[in-house]
Amino acid sequence: GEDVEQSLFLSVREGDSSVINCTYTDSSSTYLYWYKQEPGAGLQLLTYIFSNMDMKQDQRLTVLLNKKDKHLSLRIADTQTGDSAIYFCAENGDRQLTFGSGTQLTVLP
Amino acid sequence: DAGVIQSPRHEVTEMGQEVTLRCKPISGHDYLFWYRQTMMRGLELLIYFNNNVPIDDSGMPEDRFSAKMPNASFSTLKIQPSEPRDSAVYFCASSRRGVGWQPQHFGDGTRLSIL
Repeated sequence: GEDVEQSLFLSVREGDSSVINCTYTDSSSTYLYWYKQEPGAGLQLLTYIFSNMDMKQDQRLTVLLNKKDKHLSLRIADTQTGDSAIYFCAENGDRQLTFGSGTQLTVLP
Repeated sequence: DAGVIQSPRHEVTEMGQEVTLRCKPISGHDYLFWYRQTMMRGLELLIYFNNNVPIDDSGMPEDRFSAKMPNASFSTLKIQPSEPRDSAVYFCASSRRGVGWQPQHFGDGTRLSIL
């Protein structure tokens, strides 16, 4: 079946880069997504990448996709305290999205 | 543009009571999803609709849970009778169908506490 895995926690210093990693199993995924969840809020779509792309950049965010290894990463440049949140990776399987467990990013001053 | 709107934001009720959660999807979206989020199980898909028709309800925990979508702009998730283990944050999301699955847009959720 479909499975998406992420590490649970990541801590970085303010101003450093953050890299959040994700592995998935469904090779038929058309899109892969990154969502951000702040405390008490819903999931906010950050960015997504089409499966035939290797990289997508959007301001401070860079998404890298290694389709051979089924590995997706999200890099946040110049990480700020406002970036502290839970980040979810998701893939679209045959009929629905499958979400990872989320990575709690803590930005230290 | 209005996003997905859920109500209530918070609900506290006693075990055995009926609970109704409400959702208004984004206008023009023809897919609607109900999720449950807990610390132990993460984000679980309960059910989703396409054009108001339930497509997959395999995630609904048991018969105490039911969901309806009487029209394109409104859906409900009902729990009757409620139990303490139903305490969670319930999210509604909507999306458009396109090439592959289009991004889902989430509401802010209903935080449900069953005492």
